[in-house]
Amino acid sequence: IAGITQAPTSQILAAGRRMTLRCTQDMRHNAMYWYRQDLGLGLRLIHYSNTAGTTGKGEVPDGYSVSRANTDDFPLTLASAVPSQTSVYFCASSEMAGNQPQHFGDGTRLSIL
Amino acid sequence: SQQGEEDPQALSIQEGENATMNCSYKTSINNLQWYRQNSGRGLVHLILIRSNEREKHSGRLRVTLDTSKKSSSLLITASRAADTASYFCATGRGANSKLTFGKGITLSVRP
Repeated sequence: IAGITQAPTSQILAAGRRMTLRCTQDMRHNAMYWYRQDLGLGLRLIHYSNTAGTTGKGEVPDGYSVSRANTDDFPLTLASAVPSQTSVYFCASSEMAGNQPQHFGDGTRLSIL
Repeated sequence: SQQGEEDPQALSIQEGENATMNCSYKTSINNLQWYRQNSGRGLVHLILIRSNEREKHSGRLRVTLDTSKKSSSLLITASRAADTASYFCATGRGANSKLTFGKGITLSVRP
């Protein structure tokens, strides 16, 4: 089934550890996004990539990094996790950059202790 | 900062009733989109309405857009228990901008 696959589905992590959240899509979409969803704050954009080889900062990029080596994969890395990064992380994609409809994965639930 | 603000925050209705959810925004937009999120799942795109459109239908969904009032409404007719979910509006302000999501409305449909 075409779509977005995120891994892991959930993780408990000690503060200070490095963590990479994986995201893979098989729709050959050009644009990809990472959001965090927190109660009362909705979805906030962390980083995005308009096309393979390019990335950009969203609303809340601090403490996170991304790479886009190819069309399908868009990993999100927390270099040194802090408790405030406890959240549900969603990866999404759209056919082209801009205001097009986005397809979402089912999220990674991350707890930083 | 949120561009779209949904109203109400929570809505509880009986199966078979219509559900109306509203979204207001602050700056001019290129399009407005509605998404649904079931518990523990990712968002699913429902419908997109462009700034030059006033109304759009998709099955039991009807979306209106009033750019003079900077608001949109999502109507779900003849609701079902399976419509229980959170609903988000998202606004796109320009061709190269990114979508901005609201905080969502929790809809509960009682069987």
